[in-house]
Amino acid sequence: QSALTQPASVSGSPGQSITISCTGTSSDVGNYNYVSWYQQHPGKAPKLMIYEISNRPSGVSNRFSGSKSGNTASLTISGLQAEDEADYYCSSYTSSTTFVVFGGGTKLTVL
Amino acid sequence: QVQLQESGPGLVKPSETLSLTCAVSGSSIRSGYYWGWIRQPPGKGLEWIGSVFHSGSTYYNPSLKSRVTISVDTSKNQFSLKLSSVTAADTAVYYCARAPTGGSYKLDYWGQGTLVTVSS
Repeated sequence: QSALTQPASVSGSPGQSITISCTGTSSDVGNYNYVSWYQQHPGKAPKLMIYEISNRPSGVSNRFSGSKSGNTASLTISGLQAEDEADYYCSSYTSSTTFVVFGGGTKLTVL
Repeated sequence: QVQLQESGPGLVKPSETLSLTCAVSGSSIRSGYYWGWIRQPPGKGLEWIGSVFHSGSTYYNPSLKSRVTISVDTSKNQFSLKLSSVTAADTAVYYCARAPTGGSYKLDYWGQGTLVTVSS
């Protein structure tokens, strides 16, 4: 079971927008709309930010948005704020295990 | 509100079995959710270990399947993880989490995590 591919790091200045990609295969991202994104601050548990490609749970800022094209899903954060600095993980349903696989994680730095 | 709390030994000897329990409050184990375990080695990413439905149906990461058992105790509203023949590579923060059924596979509630170190 291979992890989904994410960039190791991205950065942006306050107020800017950034996008984090998550590349999988036809066994996961490409053929299913069950992609989720999680935010993890140091020493804390992951927090669900996006599910089913582009849906936000109640309480999550609308600065966070998701999309998918082919085998790649993306998380966009607009109007970057200092509090957005964290690790971000994508996950997808995979037919390989009939449950989920995670991406390797992306460290977001707010300059 | 929904809360999940992991518990178990923080230190396990190599070759022994790691055992953790996740106590659930604010949500019934018998309701329509999958209950799962995810781990994170120090400084590394998340790895899904496996999930269980209240009926006892289980789904395991193929890379761990031969060593993992996840079970539910509906009378105590909790579920458990057993990982056998542990090595130093199993040292990680272990999280329990909930995923609604119905196809979203989103992990909407997580425990705070518990660090398990494998060392003699």
